[in-house]
Amino acid sequence: GAVVSQHPSWVICKSGTSVKIECRSLDFQATTMFWYRQFPKQSLMLMATSNEGSKATYEQGVEKDKFLINHASLTLSTLTVTSAHPEDSSFYICSAPAQGRTDTQYFGPGTRLTVL
Amino acid sequence: AQKVTQAQTEISVVEKEDVTLDCVYETRDTTYYLFWYKQPPSGELVFLIRRNSFDEQNEISGRYSWNFQKSTSSFNFTITASQVVDSAVYFCALSLPGGYQKVTFGTGTKLQVIP
Repeated sequence: GAVVSQHPSWVICKSGTSVKIECRSLDFQATTMFWYRQFPKQSLMLMATSNEGSKATYEQGVEKDKFLINHASLTLSTLTVTSAHPEDSSFYICSAPAQGRTDTQYFGPGTRLTVL
Repeated sequence: AQKVTQAQTEISVVEKEDVTLDCVYETRDTTYYLFWYKQPPSGELVFLIRRNSFDEQNEISGRYSWNFQKSTSSFNFTITASQVVDSAVYFCALSLPGGYQKVTFGTGTKLQVIP
């Protein structure tokens, strides 16, 4: 079946550095992908919509200059957390709609980011 | 805008008991999809069930069943004969069809099944 992968699964970085997280659709194409953030013991909140070949759409309150999204191909979207700080520590999850369907989303396994 | 409310923050049950997780949603759209996801401690979301707004038929799938009532905007989920492996956080969610299919999640209910 369709699978969405994320890399890395976890990352620890120092404050001030940038971290890139990859989201790949493994056996289907995704012109749209979604990035969610989940703080400990909280729900998943949509951060942005990644659109292949065009600019990402960010949800209100999400800094687009801090969370850079690049959807360079039909199977890959990347989220770069620039100048990360401890408050950016979170669980980041991407998802992609199933090709040809409007009722199914495939979620990646998530990336746990810890900023020291 | 869509909104999903899970009033139960945490539930504890003894193994083999039945447990129902409540979910109430809000949307102005007439076509939408409702979901239940399970999130074990590993963090990966596990898809459980999906229902579209035109299908209020309630079904049973193994130990899982759901009660979808549009009149009360509720989509409750029941686990029968709970097991320790059912311990996780459960999210109710809603999405709209079409090209913009972002998922709106509820706040989650943490279920602990005690052996």
